[in-house]
Amino acid sequence: DAGVTQSPTHLIKTRGQQVTLRCSPISGHKSVSWYQQVLGQGPQFIFQYYEKEERGRGNFPDRFSARQFPNYSSELNVNALLLGDSALYLCASSPWTASGNTIYFGEGSWLTVV
Amino acid sequence: GNSVTQMEGPVTLSEEAFLTINCTYTATGYPSLFWYVQYPGEGLQLLLKATKADDKGSNKGFEATYRKETTSFHLEKGSVQVSDSAVYFCALSPIQGAQKLVFGQGTRLTINP
Repeated sequence: DAGVTQSPTHLIKTRGQQVTLRCSPISGHKSVSWYQQVLGQGPQFIFQYYEKEERGRGNFPDRFSARQFPNYSSELNVNALLLGDSALYLCASSPWTASGNTIYFGEGSWLTVV
Repeated sequence: GNSVTQMEGPVTLSEEAFLTINCTYTATGYPSLFWYVQYPGEGLQLLLKATKADDKGSNKGFEATYRKETTSFHLEKGSVQVSDSAVYFCALSPIQGAQKLVFGQGTRLTINP
């Protein structure tokens, strides 16, 4: 079975531009979450979506938004890019939403803002 | 709030050495605890987990025990291999609210032959 798939794998954007990152969860998984991993640090939680509804949001500005589609895939949008948004963006999925669930991660999308 | 503290790296060991990476946490209630591993240029892979006090998670020779009394989840392996070189992250998932992982800062492990 395919794991969590993300696209694009690498991209370069200019300050002020907008970016959309895409994620397909593992088949049968209804929960999708997004994390930002800055070089040398642990991932930081951005959003969780379950059954197409936002279930949680981390401490990120409103420039960050996301949505989940009926097929449970998800998009992360970041507007007005800043240099500090350069990071690895990880998508993760799990079957449902519960503390003890294993969360499976994709390979990530490397975003460089210049 | 919820937080995870890991021993600072980098950690460098010789092959077949004993490994311990310390992890302590702060959380409300009894979170689930995880160790994830990140190999160079890759995403995160679950190494092991424990969902309640005194549970022991194990995988690929790695072990960690959920210690409620010391709020710890230290990672151990009796004999490391070069292929274990990676960054290791301790994480917790809060018992309430959104399903999310709160990660420590990561510990880079290098094993020399």
